[in-house]
Amino acid sequence: QKEVEQDPGPLSVPEGAIVSLNCTYSNSAFQYFMWYRQYSRKGPELLMYTYSSGNKEDGRFTAQVDKSSKYISLFIRDSQPSDSATYLCAMSPVGGATNKLIFGTGTLLAVQP
Amino acid sequence: EAGVAQSPRYKIIEKRQSVAFWCNPISGHATLYWYQQILGQGPKLLIQFQNNGVVDDSQLPKDRFSAERLKGVDSTLKIQPAKLEDSAVYLCASSLDLRDKGSDTQYFGPGTRLTVL
Repeated sequence: QKEVEQDPGPLSVPEGAIVSLNCTYSNSAFQYFMWYRQYSRKGPELLMYTYSSGNKEDGRFTAQVDKSSKYISLFIRDSQPSDSATYLCAMSPVGGATNKLIFGTGTLLAVQP
Repeated sequence: EAGVAQSPRYKIIEKRQSVAFWCNPISGHATLYWYQQILGQGPKLLIQFQNNGVVDDSQLPKDRFSAERLKGVDSTLKIQPAKLEDSAVYLCASSLDLRDKGSDTQYFGPGTRLTVL
């Protein structure tokens, strides 16, 4: 079993739709949860960063973490064609000697105009 | 602020040949990471440097991969000899400081796409 599971998609939605992207994980030591967006032929860029459980909102993006279920989500409201990209969840444990990120496989999102 | 620079952007080699990738992190960033991203997968950490010292190289195939970060700034990743399964995008990332503050934001470069024939 992988430490982080993510549905690879592809996910195709019409412009303006609400998008829900999800990851599950097995390592209860994870405390830091991130969502990265990766456009084709580019490096990942950080979208959202959450520590422990709870919600975080930034504009059209909302990140949720449910540690009891080992489940994290990213919601995109009023999706735009420019949101078309691969979305990667990433996690790391608290403290420790390294800042090692464990990534999901990524979900490919296409927002149709 | 300039981002993480990587070169070359693309490289095609034959198996058993050697190849090297270069990374210049964001100025002032103490921590540098090399990731391997195989098509359809998320990035996997190969090696992490704090200044010019190795913090984690547990997933680096040391029989064929090597990396160095002389003077704590630029870094090179080398593969010798390359195998077909090394075909991937090699991403370099940097972050400001480690110091067990949890998760520093990692900034990624555009990557080097390696094809091994």
